[in-house]
Amino acid sequence: DTGVSQDPRHKITKRGQNVTFRCDPISEHNRLYWYRQTLGQGPEFLTYFQNEAQLEKSRLLSDRFSAERPKGSFSTLEIQRTEQGDSAMYLCASSLTSRLEQFFGPGTRLTVL
Amino acid sequence: SQKIEQNSEALNIQEGKTATLTCNYTNYSPAYLQWYRQDPGRGPVFLLLIRENEKEKRKERLKVTFDTTLKQSLFHITASQPADSATYLCARGSGYSTLTFGKGTMLLVSP
Repeated sequence: DTGVSQDPRHKITKRGQNVTFRCDPISEHNRLYWYRQTLGQGPEFLTYFQNEAQLEKSRLLSDRFSAERPKGSFSTLEIQRTEQGDSAMYLCASSLTSRLEQFFGPGTRLTVL
Repeated sequence: SQKIEQNSEALNIQEGKTATLTCNYTNYSPAYLQWYRQDPGRGPVFLLLIRENEKEKRKERLKVTFDTTLKQSLFHITASQPADSATYLCARGSGYSTLTFGKGTMLLVSP
């Protein structure tokens, strides 16, 4: 399967713990996006990379959130000191430089107890 | 802020009919609108993109329109099938960066 993959698919953690999610984009895609989606809502943009450069971050992204894409391939999203309000589906998407459509992964569902 | 509004009520139709979903946007026209399909527990899947200067786009049983006067896009599925049942998301964008999504409209096609 050459689509976008995300790991883990589900994560349950206790409030205050740190979590890290991984996204592997489609191999030739330069752009990588992170979104968050809660029940009944559409995906909300969090951050975006062009190769290894993080070009845009949403104001929604608090200091507890950090994302990296060290070699321009896979990306990680870390949430420090998780809060119950962080419970959501975290979606990763990728796209070609020359194309506007985004290809989404299956998401990581985070539950903070 | 730039918003996308979609009817939050589910749309129920009979198999074989045409489903029409509405997407309204606020403020200035986006450079393009995109439509995605999302099944429960899965990531969105890209369906169609329409640019500001295009009135209509078609792909198989799908058709999307862009009306800058009404600030609205309509998404049509003709000859609908139960397999078309899903949530359909509208998103606005400009350039290659962020997409702003609506909440989505759930479509239920009954046999």
